[in-house]
Amino acid sequence: AQKVTQAQTEISVVEKEDVTLDCVYETRDTTYYLFWYKQPPSGELVFLIRRNSFDEQNEISGRYSWNFQKSTSSFNFTITASQVVDSAVYFCALSERGYSSASKIIFGSGTRLSIRP
Amino acid sequence: KAGVTQTPRYLIKTRGQQVTLSCSPISGHRSVSWYQQTPGQGLQFLFEYFSETQRNKGNFPGRFSGRQFSNSRSEMNVSTLELGDSALYLCASSSSPGGDYEQYFGPGTRLTVT
Repeated sequence: AQKVTQAQTEISVVEKEDVTLDCVYETRDTTYYLFWYKQPPSGELVFLIRRNSFDEQNEISGRYSWNFQKSTSSFNFTITASQVVDSAVYFCALSERGYSSASKIIFGSGTRLSIRP
Repeated sequence: KAGVTQTPRYLIKTRGQQVTLSCSPISGHRSVSWYQQTPGQGLQFLFEYFSETQRNKGNFPGRFSGRQFSNSRSEMNVSTLELGDSALYLCASSSSPGGDYEQYFGPGTRLTVT
């Protein structure tokens, strides 16, 4: 069965520190997608990245970077030089490809990130 | 391009009443999904619609229903409200159905049942 674990419930760091949000997933499928979403206080989830299971290349987008390691079933998210605006709840999600259904997207429980000035 | 819009943003109802929430997807998106978010249960899938057809429904009682119109706008209805229905209801649109593609979420409707 699919499962997404975000063991860090809450993280608090001082502005400009680097912070890594962990995501560990379980799936028996060899083809799947992984996602990260950000939920600021306003409520809507904001899409950050999608990665398919065949693409283990790490990705960097500005201050954001993602490390995908199939060997450890992890898809970690790092924010470099954090800013107060990064404060939000971050969700990792897994979708087994082929089901063609949003019902098969499993969200982790989220990590609440607080950046202190 | 306008994002996903949801109305109303906030709603207070009493037990036993019914409520209808509305979602307008991004222009051109034909897939709409609904989620319930609560502190205890996290994000839970409610329904998925594509081209006016419900493709999947999550594990919720029959009091929860929905529909999609020809312009891709979607509504969800909850009848005989219970206290436990208090939650943030999120709508998401996607260019294609399924979990392969990123979803774009609306700001949600926060429903409080008293």
